Amino acid sequence: NAGVTQTPKFQVLKTGQSMTLQCAQDMNHEYMSWYRQDPGMGLRLIHYSVGAGITDQGEVPNGYNVSRSTTEDFPLRLLSAAPSQTSVYFCASSPGTGGLFNQPQHFGDGTRLSIL
Amino acid sequence: DAKTTQPPSMDCAEGRAANLPCNHSTISGNEYVYWYRQIHSQGPQYIIHGLKNNETNEMASLIITEDRKSSTLILPHATLRDTAVYYCIVRVAYTNAGKSTFGDGTTLTVKP
Repeated sequence: NAGVTQTPKFQVLKTGQSMTLQCAQDMNHEYMSWYRQDPGMGLRLIHYSVGAGITDQGEVPNGYNVSRSTTEDFPLRLLSAAPSQTSVYFCASSPGTGGLFNQPQHFGDGTRLSIL
Repeated sequence: DAKTTQPPSMDCAEGRAANLPCNHSTISGNEYVYWYRQIHSQGPQYIIHGLKNNETNEMASLIITEDRKSSTLILPHATLRDTAVYYCIVRVAYTNAGKSTFGDGTTLTVKP
């Protein structure tokens, strides 16, 4: 059971480049989220999804796009990378309905992204 | 989701109990209290959660005050591997399950 898998683990981009951070979970969880963590700080919510085809913004959505075409995958797209987006990005998933609504989130190991 | 307040840092001697407080004075009746920890730069790891009753699992105990405005996470016999950042969050369980707000947490340092 792989849990939440994030790829790549490390990435360096130049300002203005675009890229997609991948997140996949094999637990059939309805809820998925993206967070960013800057050095010495807590996690801030970027975008989240309550199921396939449904996404919504979190605290810091600007500069990022998401889509949820399947239950398993929740990619995060940086449209035009900026140095301020240098951070560690974490994806998380949790069950939704079926009496599991109070279950905790499972996190991936993160993607360390540097924008030059 | 209710906001939480935690001390920025705490120390604990190895083998002793670590008691980490969390204030959530604006918590609503349908919000659960969750605790996670983050070791070094790994992804956060779930520890325990509860609504109003005290909870215990193989990792820790969670004590929630009767008015639910604060809680304490107890690691009964702290080891060096428990050194981590501990996050207390509160959220409504049956909605916005993917929308949890994390604060800056408490950095727990377990010393030999």
